[in-house]
Amino acid sequence: SQQGEEDPQALSIQEGENATMNCSYKTSINNLQWYRQNSGRGLVHLILIRSNEREKHSGRLRVTLDTSKKSSSLLITASRAADTASYFCALQETSGSRLTFGEGTQLTVNP
Amino acid sequence: DTGVSQDPRHKITKRGQNVTFRCDPISEHNRLYWYRQTLGQGPEFLTYFQNEAQLEKSRLLSDRFSAERPKGSFSTLEIQRTEQGDSAMYLCASSFKGPTNEKLFFGSGTQLSVL
Repeated sequence: SQQGEEDPQALSIQEGENATMNCSYKTSINNLQWYRQNSGRGLVHLILIRSNEREKHSGRLRVTLDTSKKSSSLLITASRAADTASYFCALQETSGSRLTFGEGTQLTVNP
Repeated sequence: DTGVSQDPRHKITKRGQNVTFRCDPISEHNRLYWYRQTLGQGPEFLTYFQNEAQLEKSRLLSDRFSAERPKGSFSTLEIQRTEQGDSAMYLCASSFKGPTNEKLFFGSGTQLSVL
């Protein structure tokens, strides 16, 4: 499997704190994406970073990509209780079209 | 509602029965994906279509699984002779494959329970 590996598996923080999730992978990628999933629902696309990009911002989200280390991180600043969800990184490889998902990080933001 | 819709939302069946799920993608999207997800795991790729052509199918997908996308619009996923191990959330996603990187839009999924 070429899926990403996420770390940590679970993260519990207080409202207002920052949350950082990491994704490592082994293959060459075209892009790396982050998705969010609330319990029992479908996934929602958050942000996409291309292999030639190093950092992207979207609102309270900041994503970094280090292709030399084959790793990415997702930072959520000033977290809110509503950010409680599972977060998945997904890889789109250069060689194929499928999007391969990691196992996810379960984030709990306590009010 | 212009998002991806899946039907039914929940399905309970007995082992050995056949089940069929439907997915209606976003209308202008040319790609449609099926994923399977079990509790605490990430989505696992099953298959995808570009228009009506099935371009890739996971090696993990047994011959009891079949998917179609007639006329490049909605898609159906059929599981024959269901087994308890088929119990999972079945997710459909669509995208527009263009010259830029694509992102997926997911439906809410069909939760299958095989008794």
